[in-house]
Amino acid sequence: EAQVTQNPRYLITVTGKKLTVTCSQNMNHEYMSWYRQDPGLGLRQIYYSMNVEVTDKGDVPEGYKVSRKEKRNFPLILESPSPNQTSLYFCASSLSSRDAPYEQYFGPGTRLTVT
Amino acid sequence: AQKVTQAQTEISVVEKEDVTLDCVYETRDTTYYLFWYKQPPSGELVFLIRRNSFDEQNEISGRYSWNFQKSTSSFNFTITASQVVDSAVYFCALSVQTTGANNLFFGTGTRLTVIP
Repeated sequence: EAQVTQNPRYLITVTGKKLTVTCSQNMNHEYMSWYRQDPGLGLRQIYYSMNVEVTDKGDVPEGYKVSRKEKRNFPLILESPSPNQTSLYFCASSLSSRDAPYEQYFGPGTRLTVT
Repeated sequence: AQKVTQAQTEISVVEKEDVTLDCVYETRDTTYYLFWYKQPPSGELVFLIRRNSFDEQNEISGRYSWNFQKSTSSFNFTITASQVVDSAVYFCALSVQTTGANNLFFGTGTRLTVIP
């Protein structure tokens, strides 16, 4: 089954404790992206990757890191989480094109709480 | 800069009523793409439709229809004969070729509640 998986689905942590949210897709997609969803703000893009070893900032990259060492994986790293990073996080993937977008497939979401 | 406005934060309708969700976008790009996504209570995001800026034809898919009007920068979504299963948050989104056609700018969403 074609899918995007995220782990963990729920995470409660404390300020400053480094964490990683994993994202994996099995569709051989070049493009992957991370979004955060906050009430009243919709979804905002954090980082994206057009292919292996190619990443770029989205609209709200501060406080986050990503890496793309393999095509299927795109982990989101919070080196020193703060309470304002409490949010619902979505990973997405699609075939890649700079000219015309393909349908993006979203993961199930990771609800992160930073106390 | 790109912007998507969904002015309706929440809408409630009684089952079988028609409902239209509004979406207004802003961009200076001449090549852009518009999307609608559905987020049911289970939380996942479900792709509904994509249109490009050169195709203003309206589209109908079952009970769903979309009205794209460049003159008013709007891409409205109508559900005919609403059903309880239509209850969800609906997001309109925009992408532009110059910043990467896959990078989506989302509106703030409209929460639709269909009352049985």
